[in-house]
Amino acid sequence: AQSVTQLGSHVSVSEGALVLLRCNYSSSVPPYLFWYVQYPNQGLQLLLKYTTGATLVKGINGFEAEFKKSETSFHLTKPSAHMSDAAEYFCAVRSSGGSYIPTFGRGTSLIVHP
Amino acid sequence: SQTIHQWPATLVQPVGSPLSLECTVEGTSNPNLYWYRQAAGRGLQLLFYSVGIGQISSEVPQNLSASRPQDRQFILSSKKLLLSDSGFYLCAWSLTGTGNTIYFGEGSWLTVV
Repeated sequence: AQSVTQLGSHVSVSEGALVLLRCNYSSSVPPYLFWYVQYPNQGLQLLLKYTTGATLVKGINGFEAEFKKSETSFHLTKPSAHMSDAAEYFCAVRSSGGSYIPTFGRGTSLIVHP
Repeated sequence: SQTIHQWPATLVQPVGSPLSLECTVEGTSNPNLYWYRQAAGRGLQLLFYSVGIGQISSEVPQNLSASRPQDRQFILSSKKLLLSDSGFYLCAWSLTGTGNTIYFGEGSWLTVV
């Protein structure tokens, strides 16, 4: 079985501050991990994904995430928040060799203050 | 490149009326197809997925149904809508294989009144 927990349904930061969105997963086999962003009234857009190899993954819009197996985490970070980063962020996991259906977290709403 | 389109983008339907949301994928063959629902303030709920023409798997019991009449077409239907069917519906596709990314359509807002 696989599951995803996103800590904090809302995260509020000031423009220019560090963004940290937390994601912990559980999987009985090596996972594939994804972060998506959803702007209001739009579909989800892939930010980045981890499959194998380098554990620090860089994505679009200056975001990156690090796969930490020992902590079963895949936290999303960005050094400096922009107003345009305000959106809903979803973490997802797929277990390698298992069901191809991903499990999504409940989402974290990022609020950016000027 | 591959693209996914779903329509209509928004619709308002009375309780008890039928529903049809359509989704098509271009630029790929034999994709896995998915329908998700997003209720206000809640996460993504997988409703149906399909690995091929005529092959539909349902994740939750409800008054919705899905069909895949062609390789790259996925339709979400209901014979009689309920108020609880209101929400944001997302079609998505992926290539076969667990490591492959799921790509989402633009979404359809359904309000049942």
